[in-house]
Amino acid sequence: GEDVEQSLFLSVREGDSSVINCTYTDSSSTYLYWYKQEPGAGLQLLTYIFSNMDMKQDQRLTVLLNKKDKHLSLRIADTQTGDSAIYFCAESFTGNQFYFGTGTSLTVIP
Amino acid sequence: DTGVSQDPRHKITKRGQNVTFRCDPISEHNRLYWYRQTLGQGPEFLTYFQNEAQLEKSRLLSDRFSAERPKGSFSTLEIQRTEQGDSAMYLCASSLDGNSPLHFGNGTRLTVT
Repeated sequence: GEDVEQSLFLSVREGDSSVINCTYTDSSSTYLYWYKQEPGAGLQLLTYIFSNMDMKQDQRLTVLLNKKDKHLSLRIADTQTGDSAIYFCAESFTGNQFYFGTGTSLTVIP
Repeated sequence: DTGVSQDPRHKITKRGQNVTFRCDPISEHNRLYWYRQTLGQGPEFLTYFQNEAQLEKSRLLSDRFSAERPKGSFSTLEIQRTEQGDSAMYLCASSLDGNSPLHFGNGTRLTVT
């Protein structure tokens, strides 16, 4: 449950959609999460999905989960400059700890 | 809901000194976690508590590190005989139970000179 991988960087233009991807190795995870971290701050919970779901939508955020391929994605619609941050995916296991990816740095170009 | 608070926000110390950080979780949260984050990396698990019981410690946690949560509310993380490699952001998080998401504080940035 410790291998959670993300691409390091993503740049998009303001108003476009952003898609941040994550792969994980342990299929027994219970929940998968997306967190946002701005400079000098802690991690802010954005959204999460139970492992038996395929999709979850929350305003501008859409989470897609492909359990077969162990792939999780976060789509941000109408990306704004305030969305520039580092995004972490994480997985958790019932009653146990959480494992985080290395983070994707999203830059939104005005 | 005041969120998770950590104190201090920044700590600069000389190598060999001891430091102690404090974390106050969200009041009704039973679980409290400590993570360490270095530049360009995701948070690495250190230890967690269920109420006052310390349930798991990472092998990253050397014997110079000790954490307590004496009354099941706030927690302290102490690092003895600090080394330059201890320089990092120390993050505290809490959750309602083992099936709930983590809520993080803003962290304590430690610099060991």
